[in-house]
Amino acid sequence: KAGVTQTPRYLIKTRGQQVTLSCSPISGHRSVSWYQQTPGQGLQFLFEYFSETQRNKGNFPGRFSGRQFSNSRSEMNVSTLELGDSALYLCASSFSGTSGGRETQYFGPGTRLLVL
Amino acid sequence: AQSVTQLGSHVSVSEGALVLLRCNYSSSVPPYLFWYVQYPNQGLQLLLKYTTGATLVKGINGFEAEFKKSETSFHLTKPSAHMSDAAEYFCAVSGRNTGNQFYFGTGTSLTVIP
Repeated sequence: KAGVTQTPRYLIKTRGQQVTLSCSPISGHRSVSWYQQTPGQGLQFLFEYFSETQRNKGNFPGRFSGRQFSNSRSEMNVSTLELGDSALYLCASSFSGTSGGRETQYFGPGTRLLVL
Repeated sequence: AQSVTQLGSHVSVSEGALVLLRCNYSSSVPPYLFWYVQYPNQGLQLLLKYTTGATLVKGINGFEAEFKKSETSFHLTKPSAHMSDAAEYFCAVSGRNTGNQFYFGTGTSLTVIP
């Protein structure tokens, strides 16, 4: 089975621009979560999607948004980029996410975003 | 609220020596506990997890961890370090009421000295 894939792997943007990152979960997985990883803040939860609905949301500003398609693929969008948005963005998928948090999340390789 | 503390952001061990990476959690109820490893320029790979049952959990690559409720700990160990174990290790918790939201520790960078 193919793992979680994320595109693009690397991205350079300038302040004020917007960016869209894509994540394809493992086949059959319906839950997709997004995390931001930075040296200063570590891994922080952005949001989770299940069956095209945002089910859980972390403490990030509204500039960060996402969506999920009927095939479970997910995109996240960051508008009006700031220097502090430079990070590794990780996507994780799990089968159903209905087991109250006990399911393993499988992570993709991440998209490294650099904001200049 | 859930939180995770990993003591020691950097740990160095000699090849063949015991690896001990510490993780303590804070949760009102016993959470689900995970250890992930991250190699450079890669995503996170699950090493092991504890949900219920036996408190000593064995994972991949010879790692194991023990859930100690009284100490709110989930320390990761490996009897004999290998050069390939050099990586970043993350402890994570999720709760019965928080769905798929994982709370991660700040990570421990493991260096293995030949």
